[in-house]
Amino acid sequence: AQSVTQLGSHVSVSEGALVLLRCNYSSSVPPYLFWYVQYPNQGLQLLLKYTSAATLVKGINGFEAEFKKSETSFHLTKPSAHMSDAAEYFCAVSDEDGGATNKLIFGTGTLLAVQP
Amino acid sequence: AAGVIQSPRHLIKEKRETATLKCYPIPRHDTVYWYQQGPGQDPQFLISFYEKMQSDKGSIPDRFSAQQFSDYHSELNMSSLELGDSALYFCASSPGDGYSGNTIYFGEGSWLTVV
Repeated sequence: AQSVTQLGSHVSVSEGALVLLRCNYSSSVPPYLFWYVQYPNQGLQLLLKYTSAATLVKGINGFEAEFKKSETSFHLTKPSAHMSDAAEYFCAVSDEDGGATNKLIFGTGTLLAVQP
Repeated sequence: AAGVIQSPRHLIKEKRETATLKCYPIPRHDTVYWYQQGPGQDPQFLISFYEKMQSDKGSIPDRFSAQQFSDYHSELNMSSLELGDSALYFCASSPGDGYSGNTIYFGEGSWLTVV
């Protein structure tokens, strides 16, 4: 079964600094990978997704992620953090267990704090 | 653009009561999913429907049931509520038959508090 592991449940960066949120996946087949963001008391918003078209995926709000098969990683980055980026970020993989649907398996999340 | 609509946004129930959550998917999305996110937890898949038929089932308690109606909206029914059912319940939708590459769009969630 597919799974994702997010390293670091809490990450703190200064405003303007690089954001790096780590995600490693486990999959027996080429995976479909997603990053979602959850702002306080809000729903999940899709940042970007990887579906094998290109290894470097650009998303909304200046975020991007690079799929590295050799490292089984799909880390999320942003060159310069803004205060408004403070939120929880979830990496997810599409479950390929042969089931009929596209259910997502989420990582445990990384809470990003941005310091002024 | 239209998003996934969930109601109610907040719900408080007592133990052993019943609660019903409603979800209206994005127009022309025919797959609906329900997820449960406990406090400080990641979202857990409960159940999904495609074209009004249950298509997959996750860690949904037997006390819970769901269905998708002819207008594609879905309802999650929870009975004999327990304190541990307190969580944020997400509905999500995607186009097509659940092909893995399709993006799943989430609603803002319904907060259920069981007291």
